[in-house]
Amino acid sequence: NAGVTQTPKFQVLKTGQSMTLQCAQDMNHNSMYWYRQDPGMGLRLIYYSASEGTTDKGEVPNGYNVSRLNKREFSLRLESAAPSQTSVYFCASSLSGRGGNGYTFGSGTRLTVV
Amino acid sequence: KNEVEQSPQNLTAQEGEFITINCSYSVGISALHWLQQHPGGGIVSLFMLSSGKKKHGRLIATINIQEKHSSLHITASHPRDSAVYICAVRSSNYQLIWGAGTKLIIKP
Repeated sequence: NAGVTQTPKFQVLKTGQSMTLQCAQDMNHNSMYWYRQDPGMGLRLIYYSASEGTTDKGEVPNGYNVSRLNKREFSLRLESAAPSQTSVYFCASSLSGRGGNGYTFGSGTRLTVV
Repeated sequence: KNEVEQSPQNLTAQEGEFITINCSYSVGISALHWLQQHPGGGIVSLFMLSSGKKKHGRLIATINIQEKHSSLHITASHPRDSAVYICAVRSSNYQLIWGAGTKLIIKP
């Protein structure tokens, strides 16, 4: 009954370091998403994967890459972290891209880049 | 001007009060979502609406497509309802446009 699992929950990086945020869902959802949430702003879509094998850029993709490893897993990679990437990152999934049954969110990853 | 605007930004009320949070949008949409973000950060989907009204427990969501407006109501509010409530509209497949959220505090 896990839903969407994100790891890690917290991370501090130095500028220029790389890391991968992991996301897995066990609901057999087709679509998965990565968002970032900055203070005072709504969630912004970084990348999404409509279905296994496909990925597309969202609103703020620069500085990030993604991999839809299989139907369950969708990872987000920061190749060279920058302080502007300090944010809370949320992974989400939905049965389809239409979000007809709503969205299920992970608990978030709080990333600080110093 | 933001495509999705919520009001109020902050709302403090006493336990038991009837709460209304508003969402206005300026784009054509296929659906509107209401979500709740807990103080700990977790986000939960509450409703998805494309027309009319939905009710779940003490929560009621309505949408008026012609006026491009939605409301979220909480009846008999309780301190555990304290959270940020977020409106998001889907203008095309996969892409949601998010409001900035309404921070609700219910005092005992």
